[in-house]
Amino acid sequence: QKEVEQDPGPLSVPEGAIVSLNCTYSNSAFQYFMWYRQYSRKGPELLMYTYSSGNKEDGRFTAQVDKSSKYISLFIRDSQPSDSATYLCAMEGDNFNKFYFGSGTKLNVKP
Amino acid sequence: NAGVTQTPKFRVLKTGQSMTLLCAQDMNHEYMYWYRQDPGMGLRLIHYSVGEGTTAKGEVPDGYNVSRLKKQNFLLGLESAAPSQTSVYFCASSYRAYEQYFGPGTRLTVT
Repeated sequence: QKEVEQDPGPLSVPEGAIVSLNCTYSNSAFQYFMWYRQYSRKGPELLMYTYSSGNKEDGRFTAQVDKSSKYISLFIRDSQPSDSATYLCAMEGDNFNKFYFGSGTKLNVKP
Repeated sequence: NAGVTQTPKFRVLKTGQSMTLLCAQDMNHEYMYWYRQDPGMGLRLIHYSVGEGTTAKGEVPDGYNVSRLKKQNFLLGLESAAPSQTSVYFCASSYRAYEQYFGPGTRLTVT
């Protein structure tokens, strides 16, 4: 079983839609949860991170962590064509310096 | 401020050849990481370093070696390349372990 599971998509939505991206995980020791955005043939860039449970908002992006269900989400409001990318979730392993990434969900926002 | 740079951008090797990938960062970060990214597998940690002169194994270290002789550089070596090492390699650095900055990647093909 993988440490982190993520639906690969692709997910196709019209411009302006609310997008929900999700990951599940198996290790209850994870404490930091990150979302990265990766454009085609580029390196990932950090969107936001959350410590432990709860919500965090940054502009059009909201990250949500439910540790009881081992489930994290990223919501994108008023999605734009420029949001078209692959979104990777990541979690800090039980070793402070080890991270586990999901395989990524490819998002396409149509104008 | 260049951030994280990787050299080379592309490389084709024959089975059994060796090579070194160079990662450089100008943000004075203590932590540096090497990942590989394969379709459907997400990013997997190869080796990481928590400071100059230190290295540690990640999730998939076999067939790779690393060195961190200077704080700003992190080298990844392949002593005897195999087709299974065909991948895109990303270097990352961070001040805080959960806030990583990635380089643009190196596309390696082993024939």
